[in-house]
Parts: sequence; structure tokens; C-alpha cells
Amino acid sequence: EAGVAQSPRYKIIEKRQSVAFWCNPISGHATLYWYQQILGQGPKLLIQFQNNGVVDDSQLPKDRFSAERLKGVDSTLKIQPAKLEDSAVYLCASSSLGALRGGSEQYFGPGTRLTVT
Amino acid sequence: DAKTTQPNSMESNEEEPVHLPCNHSTISGTDYIHWYRQLPSQGPEYVIHGLTSNVNNRMASLAIAEDRKSSTLILHRATLRDAAVYYCILRGVTGGGNKLTFGTGTQLKVEL
Repeated sequence: EAGVAQSPRYKIIEKRQSVAFWCNPISGHATLYWYQQILGQGPKLLIQFQNNGVVDDSQLPKDRFSAERLKGVDSTLKIQPAKLEDSAVYLCASSSLGALRGGSEQYFGPGTRLTVT
Repeated sequence: DAKTTQPNSMESNEEEPVHLPCNHSTISGTDYIHWYRQLPSQGPEYVIHGLTSNVNNRMASLAIAEDRKSSTLILHRATLRDAAVYYCILRGVTGGGNKLTFGTGTQLKVEL
């Protein structure tokens, strides 16, 4: 079974530039998540999709971050314009079960390491 | 989400058992206890989860206290590959479900 795919693996941009990350979840997984992990901290959920609808985006900085999941499969996360504090690893995860199942597991991709200079 | 408390770091020798503790005194009756680990330069990886009873799988065992206010992840024979950050997470059954709230975890170091 193929895992969660993410690209690019690394990205270096200057502040005020824009950047986009792509995620392809495990086939058949209805739920997709984007996390931000700053060095030395645990991952923080940015947004959760159930199929192509948003379930939770309470921690997404909506003035500069946007995400979409067209057709309920692949997803892209965009930052525009980037700030120095956006330097982090951006992780995508997927799970096969939706809401109301506290026992299901999430599968994570390798992440995209973003450096903003 | 209810909060968990873990030691910042622990050390172990290779091929010895490792017991990673987690306190969660405010756990609710419907919170599942999940453990994930994150190896260097990789995304987190699911390890094990449980609700009330002790659980075993090929990777580890999870021992849950009778009052559910604490739990212990047990690696039966640590290897160098087990060196990682281990996260103890409580997941409830809510309308937004499946959300993982990570803390800073326990950094496990394994030595020869």
C-alpha cells in the first residue's frame, strides 16, 4: 500500500514570496489533515478535510494560508505572503475513518521542510 | 482536548525494555489514549492506542491504569531504530473527530 505522498520535500523562499505544497493521501482515505511543525515542537493541526469539505480550520492563519481539496483526493496548502515565522515542516496526514471515531489512526507523509529567509 | 504530561527525555540501552510514562489526570470517559512516534526527519508514525484495557501489537504494549489517569508505553526490546520522540495523545469522540493534539513528547535515546 502506497503511503501519503508530499512534494516538494524541501523549499527555500524569501519572505513575502508565495509557496504551495501538495499532498496525495492514501487511496480511499476520506479525511485529510495539514499540520505545521516548528522545530522542537509537536505538530499543530492547521486544517482538516472530510472528503472535499472543511471540518476544522480553527488554527489556520487565514490571512495568509489557504488550502483546498478539490474532488476530495489531492490537496494543496498555500502560503501568501510568507513570513519568517512560517519556517517549519508541513505535514500531511490521512485517515480512513471520519468523525466520531476516536480510535482510528492517522498516516503521515514525510513532510515538506520550508525555510523562509 | 485533555492534556497529557510526559518526561522530556529518557535513555535506554539496546535490547532492554523501555517504559515510557504518560499522565492524563483529566481524561474523560470517552477519550482514547494514542501513542505516536516520530523518527528523525520523518512524519509521525502510529504506534498503538487503547481505551480501557491493556493492548499489545507487534510494535509495543500499552498498559493503562485502572483509573485511566496514567498509561505506559512499553517497548519490550529497544533497538537503535526506536530512538525517536514519542507522543502520548488523548483523542475524544467529538463532532470534529479524529483530531490529534500533540505535546512536545518524550525524546527516547537508545545506546549500545
